[in-house]
Amino acid sequence: QPVLTQSPSASASLGASVTLTCTLSSGYSNYIVDWYQQRPGKGPRFVMRVGTGGIVGSKGDGIPARFSVLGSGLNRYLTIKNIQEEDESDYHCGADHGSGSNFVWVFGGGTKLTVL
Amino acid sequence: EVQLVESGGDLVQPGGSLKLSCAASGFNFSGAGMHWVRQASGKGLEWVGRIRSKVNNYATVYAASVKGRFTISRDDSKNTAYLQMNSLKSEDTAVYYCLTGDYVFWGQGTLVTVYS
Repeated sequence: QPVLTQSPSASASLGASVTLTCTLSSGYSNYIVDWYQQRPGKGPRFVMRVGTGGIVGSKGDGIPARFSVLGSGLNRYLTIKNIQEEDESDYHCGADHGSGSNFVWVFGGGTKLTVL
Repeated sequence: EVQLVESGGDLVQPGGSLKLSCAASGFNFSGAGMHWVRQASGKGLEWVGRIRSKVNNYATVYAASVKGRFTISRDDSKNTAYLQMNSLKSEDTAVYYCLTGDYVFWGQGTLVTVYS
């Protein structure tokens, strides 16, 4: 099963841009990854799904146009432009693997984004 | 509007049991798979398990950490999914979320605390 790796923390100034990275383990370059936003004290919220061709499907409800994704090789990127205070959150990536009794859904460790 | 409302979280002693409920509305519940995911305080997301729909024989699959102790079920007549948790351990302490099978819609979570 894949292992998803995220940096524990990131920071960006108000109005700036930031790119968060979710890296799949070797051999899983064709996997689709979901991004989730989790504001302090709240449950996760679906942002969007990304493969090597970019976004898969639609953004989650209420996700601003400032959020975009890109996929390349083993990396799945979430870029936030014109960062606002409300973007300060934990960002998680996840991917499913296998089928039937071998199905698993794995997550990265999450990245805590601080808005300066 | 899709809504998922978890309930049943509580304080329980190690070795005890607890049953969580997830009341769903706003979508075709009977045709959807459902997942449970948990999050210990200050930690990342951990997938717990999944139940598929009737057409897929209500098949279930679990994370290795809970297999044999947790059971997911559903009552389509009540639009409700359940997580039965037995032989609880301190490491099961977490907020438990239910979400739709497409990984998009999440509930607000319910807190389970296993203490001695």
